[in-house]
Amino acid sequence: DAGITQSPRHKVTETGTPVTLRCHQTENHRYMYWYRQDPGHGLRLIHYSYGVKDTDKGEVSDGYSVSRSKTEDFLLTLESATSSQTSVYFCAISQGTGSDQPQHFGDGTRLSIL
Amino acid sequence: LAKTTQPISMDSYEGQEVNITCSHNNIATNDYITWYQQFPSQGPRFIIQGYKTKVTNEVASLFIPADRKSSTLSLPRVSLSDTAVYYCLVGAAGAGSYQLTFGKGTKLSVIP
Repeated sequence: DAGITQSPRHKVTETGTPVTLRCHQTENHRYMYWYRQDPGHGLRLIHYSYGVKDTDKGEVSDGYSVSRSKTEDFLLTLESATSSQTSVYFCAISQGTGSDQPQHFGDGTRLSIL
Repeated sequence: LAKTTQPISMDSYEGQEVNITCSHNNIATNDYITWYQQFPSQGPRFIIQGYKTKVTNEVASLFIPADRKSSTLSLPRVSLSDTAVYYCLVGAAGAGSYQLTFGKGTKLSVIP
């Protein structure tokens, strides 16, 4: 399996607090992604990165920011968490940008916002 | 951005072949078709990918007709451990712009 580590694996926090999720890869892949997965919605892209300090928005980016200061790390931040952001968050990586470059996923972070 | 449509759920007995079809009428010329498998509490796992005709690996086969508006994932002789959600993915390609859309997936239940 691809070397992708997400931390923390579980987190419970309160509305209004900042939260940062970390994705670490050992594959030296250029592209990294953050998704959220909710019942009835499947996986939805939040943000992605195509290089160090190069990021862009996905389908559901409102309320989220990302940073990538090193190839191996991609951080997802909820500046002021809301209950609607309770979800399972997955990080993914890929070598290329085309749809012929499959993404490989981490095991997720389960985030609960009370 | 190609939208995909899959059955929401399927049931199968152990040992049978399972075929899951995905529709993607608006697939673009550059798009590949990718299938993922997901177990509870785990991330999606890449199964197979193809562009046209037929692709086979140790896990599954993927059939893509000439018009590429649909694709069929074939799982030979399923076992209980194949119970999972299967996602069909059609992505857009292009340097500097990347959009990927996962549909809602097909929940496969394998019955003893």
